[in-house]
Amino acid sequence: QVQLVQSGAEVKKPGASVKVSCKTSGFSFTSSYIHWVRQAPGHGLEWMGMVRSSGDSPSYAQKVQGRVTMTKDTSTNTLYLELNSLTPEDTAVYYCTRLYYGDWGQGTRVTVSA
Amino acid sequence: QSALTQPASVSGSPGQSITISCTGTSSDVGSYNLVFWYQQHPGKVPKLIIYEVTKRPSGVSDRFSGSKSGDTASLTISGLQAEDEADYYCCSYAPSSTWVFGGGTKLTVL
Repeated sequence: QVQLVQSGAEVKKPGASVKVSCKTSGFSFTSSYIHWVRQAPGHGLEWMGMVRSSGDSPSYAQKVQGRVTMTKDTSTNTLYLELNSLTPEDTAVYYCTRLYYGDWGQGTRVTVSA
Repeated sequence: QSALTQPASVSGSPGQSITISCTGTSSDVGSYNLVFWYQQHPGKVPKLIIYEVTKRPSGVSDRFSGSKSGDTASLTISGLQAEDEADYYCCSYAPSSTWVFGGGTKLTVL
């Protein structure tokens, strides 16, 4: 069955970087679009970007463009989200998802606090 | 990339029908039949209930239906049940290979 398993919770200081992983199985990794979505406490879902099929460059939301890098390791079917220059406003649960098919990781809580 | 506009809250009594609107622009909702609806219960991962405007994934109740007119998509839930109480989010494909969510709607079953 389809699985997306994310790395554990992170606590970071403002200005630091965070890297979240999403290990996938049960579907064709190289031909799938995987999205990253975050949800701040008490807030709605926010699309951050997506990693496209092998060979294509990622697509990012304007809000995080310049601070975010989404990569994939096809040898381990794992995706990575790296977010730099963190501020408290980046405190959220981060999800990887096959948005089109409704498959979601369990979420990774990232807390940014001094 | 402005968020799609949804009402903050809607409510209905058991057995009634409710509709949640999702208004975008001619560049996103109005241009593509790629509108998705997600249901999210507190503390849970979002669940896909409608894809490509009108289609229901396997296992989703036929009480959920989707439609679109111009720049506005809608989710209708008929025969409201207590378990339908949740947050609902629309999502649309947008220009430049991006996607955008609505702000979310809290459904209360009275």
